[in-house]
Amino acid sequence: GENVEQHPSTLSVQEGDSAVIKCTYSDSASNYFPWYKQELGKGPQLIIDIRSNVGEKKDQRIAVTLNKTAKHFSLHITETQPEDSAVYFCAATHNTGFQKLVFGTGTRLLVSP
Amino acid sequence: EAGVAQSPRYKIIEKRQSVAFWCNPISGHATLYWYQQILGQGPKLLIQFQNNGVVDDSQLPKDRFSAERLKGVDSTLKIQPAKLEDSAVYLCASSRIGTANTGELFFGEGSRLTVL
Repeated sequence: GENVEQHPSTLSVQEGDSAVIKCTYSDSASNYFPWYKQELGKGPQLIIDIRSNVGEKKDQRIAVTLNKTAKHFSLHITETQPEDSAVYFCAATHNTGFQKLVFGTGTRLLVSP
Repeated sequence: EAGVAQSPRYKIIEKRQSVAFWCNPISGHATLYWYQQILGQGPKLLIQFQNNGVVDDSQLPKDRFSAERLKGVDSTLKIQPAKLEDSAVYLCASSRIGTANTGELFFGEGSRLTVL
């Protein structure tokens, strides 16, 4: 089955800096890669996703890149703000039948003012 | 639209006791998921329903965990008897489309279980 590894486990940046979180996946059939943000005491919330037919996707200060050959994808947050502080999870799955979404172990991002 | 509702938010029990969690998904969402999130880890899928049928329960410890989704709407997750390692947050999620890979999952705030 799919296995998703995520690094780093914690990331501290100054406000205004960029943050990068990296994930690798094991199943070459995976073709959908969402990123979820989880704030303290809340459930995860989708912030951006990418499908395997594109290499990069941007949404304001957030971007995701995908390298299918290397089987890794990354989340990039520019101009970080204190409200970006949260735990971020990458995930992977593919669209053959009812395939489950497999999450990474999470990255705790702390943005200091 | 109203989000995914879960209750109770917190539960403390002793090992070998039983507990039940309830979830009400977003109206019209056909697919419902229960995830287990142990502290410091990512969510792990326990069971996935499509309407009121089970499509994946491969990671559900069936000797102690059970779940049902009556009438394709609300769902309950039960643990009996509980073990110390069941301490976790139990997240319910729902989605419009049948598979997790084609649509956004909407999560509830979770039910935090502590087993003493």
